[in-house]
Amino acid sequence: AQSVAQPEDQVNVAEGNPLTVKCTYSVSGNPYLFWYVQYPNRGLQFLLKYITGDNLVKGSYGFEAEFNKSQTSFHLKKPSALVSDSALYFCAVRDVSKGNTPLVFGKGTRLSVIA
Amino acid sequence: NAGVTQTPKFQVLKTGQSMTLQCAQDMNHNSMYWYRQDPGMGLRLIYYSASEGTTDKGEVPNGYNVSRLNKREFSLRLESAAPSQTSVYFCASSEVVRGGGYTFGSGTRLTVV
Repeated sequence: AQSVAQPEDQVNVAEGNPLTVKCTYSVSGNPYLFWYVQYPNRGLQFLLKYITGDNLVKGSYGFEAEFNKSQTSFHLKKPSALVSDSALYFCAVRDVSKGNTPLVFGKGTRLSVIA
Repeated sequence: NAGVTQTPKFQVLKTGQSMTLQCAQDMNHNSMYWYRQDPGMGLRLIYYSASEGTTDKGEVPNGYNVSRLNKREFSLRLESAAPSQTSVYFCASSEVVRGGGYTFGSGTRLTVV
C-alpha cells in the first residue's frame, strides 16, 4: 500500500533562515511525489512535483525538494524563509505501477516563520 | 480564471438533514475527487471518479454518496448528516496522466449540530 509520513506536526524557523519540511514515503514501485501548500481558509495549491529525472526539483515561491530513493524521502526546502511562507504543507505520493490511482497525502506539517 | 469551483463555502446542518456539495471544473480534466480534512488527520479520500461514468470508494466512504453528473461536475451527498461529518470538504480534479497533480477547490466548511 502507498503511504506518506510527515514526521513533524509543526516546524518553527526564524525569518531568513533555511527551512526544511520532511516527508518520507512507501510504495511498492517507483513514486510520483508532490508538495502542496495550504494558506489559512484556502484550498491546497501545488508547489512542485517529482516524476523522473533530476533528483532536485524546483517549484513555486523559491521552494525546492530533493528526491532520495535510498532514504525514500522527498524533503521540502527553502534557502531563506519568509513570514509569508507560514502555512500548512502536505506531501503526497502515487505509486507509478498502480496507474492513475488517487494521491495519498500525509497529515501535513504546519510551518511557522517568525520575524 | 480556470479552476475548480465548490458550493457552498459554508453550511450548518442539523443531525439527520441531507445536503449535496457541488463541484465543477472547467479544465477538461477526466478525474475528480472528494477529500475531507480534519485536524491531525490530513486529507482523507472519500470518493473519486477516474473518468466520466465511473466512481469508486476511497478511504472513508461511509455516510456519503457521489454522482459524476458529466465530465465537469462531481457532487457529494450526505443523506443523513451526523456530527462526525463535521469537516472541511475539498474537491479536486486532475488530468489522466500518471504525473498529473491535482487542482483543488477552495473548500466547503460543514458543521453538523
